[in-house]
Amino acid sequence: DQQVKQNSPSLSVQEGRISILNCDYTNSMFDYFLWYKKYPAEGPTFLISISSIKDKNEDGRFTVFLNKSAKHLSLHIVPSQPGDSAVYFCAAEKAAGNKLTFGGGTRVLVKP
Amino acid sequence: GAGVSQSPSNKVTEKGKDVELRCDPISGHTALYWYRQSLGQGLEFLIYFQGNSAPDKSGLPSDRFSAERTGGSVSTLTIQRTQQEDSAVYLCASSSASGYPRDGYTFGSGTRLTVV
Repeated sequence: DQQVKQNSPSLSVQEGRISILNCDYTNSMFDYFLWYKKYPAEGPTFLISISSIKDKNEDGRFTVFLNKSAKHLSLHIVPSQPGDSAVYFCAAEKAAGNKLTFGGGTRVLVKP
Repeated sequence: GAGVSQSPSNKVTEKGKDVELRCDPISGHTALYWYRQSLGQGLEFLIYFQGNSAPDKSGLPSDRFSAERTGGSVSTLTIQRTQQEDSAVYLCASSSASGYPRDGYTFGSGTRLTVV
């Protein structure tokens, strides 16, 4: 039972353009959502989060959008840079659950 | 320390042997988590420790898996009688009560376990 899904396993984008990563979830009890970035042989690093009471959160080149009615969130990276090439995971947390449920990841390749 | 430290970084073991994986969380972080990532998969929750509370073991895949956290700091994940399906990257993370969930966890670099 995959409660958090990232349906695109990979994404290729030109440097300077926008990268859009999508994530869908099924559990309406999730109330916090996070995005992580992972380079090979390293642990995931936290990028940005959003509470379920908001529909948008922005941090520099990264913006996360949340559509609760559709149970969908997305991460926008603008402009994309070659250093953004990595695997991106979305994750969700139930209220006071204190553990994250992760999607399967999307591999992003930013071409120079 | 400055980050979450895991050891060993790589471990190759024979099927049927026991292994111990170590995690040293960020000083002062009260919560500690173990996840694993099998090849091509997402991160799978294993176990969660919060302060002196009983751990949440709901993600442990079998009774061959156990974990302890001594003195509220270092944690050891033990896998007994390893099987080939246990091969994965085992990731430890920690978080502070004040920063979570807004700031997420801080992960270590993981232990790559290969069972041959």
